Amino acid sequence: EPEVTQTPSHQVTQMGQEVILRCVPISNHLYFYWYRQILGQKVEFLVSFYNNEISEKSEIFDDQFSVERPDGSNFTLKIRSTKLEDSAMYFCASTGQSTSYEQYFGPGTRLTVT
Amino acid sequence: AQTVTQSQPEMSVQEAETVTLSCTYDTSENNYYLFWYKQPPSRQMILVIRQEAYKQQNATENRFSVNFQKAAKSFSLKISDSQLGDTAMYFCAFRRSGGSNYKLTFGKGTLLTVNP
Repeated sequence: EPEVTQTPSHQVTQMGQEVILRCVPISNHLYFYWYRQILGQKVEFLVSFYNNEISEKSEIFDDQFSVERPDGSNFTLKIRSTKLEDSAMYFCASTGQSTSYEQYFGPGTRLTVT
Repeated sequence: AQTVTQSQPEMSVQEAETVTLSCTYDTSENNYYLFWYKQPPSRQMILVIRQEAYKQQNATENRFSVNFQKAAKSFSLKISDSQLGDTAMYFCAFRRSGGSNYKLTFGKGTLLTVNP
């Protein structure tokens, strides 16, 4: 069964460094999302992406964040200058054109900022 | 803006018994989707069940069923014949309908522990 994949599974970085989190959505999906989950808290929406542009972004998704679909398969989330509070689990999700528009989640990348 | 509330931070149940997790939501939309996601210790988000608001019939997936009360804006999850593998965090989520790229709004989750 097709699945969303994410790399790396765990990323440790120093405060102020740039990180790129990578996702490979399900191949025939057209809509892509990033969510984050700070440890012990709920899953929060960051951004949605369709047709090579951002559809919606939350207030969390400030100028430090950017997303890109550099080729036909990858979908990336870049954090330009990481802060301690960026430490979280980051989930990528994708949606096809089914009637329920179910979002399929990847396994997540655990980002630790020290 | 939509909000999703899960009032039970933690619950426990004995193996083989039935447990119900609560979820309420607030929205001005008439058409929308509701979901329950399971997050085991691996932290993978796994879809358990979905409900379309325009459908009066409650969704069922094997041992999982929902009680959807649209007027009350309530969407509870019932797990029958609980198994040890059901131990996980359960999140209720809301999504508007009418567009393909609408975000999910999650509740804070309920940690369910199934005891042997």
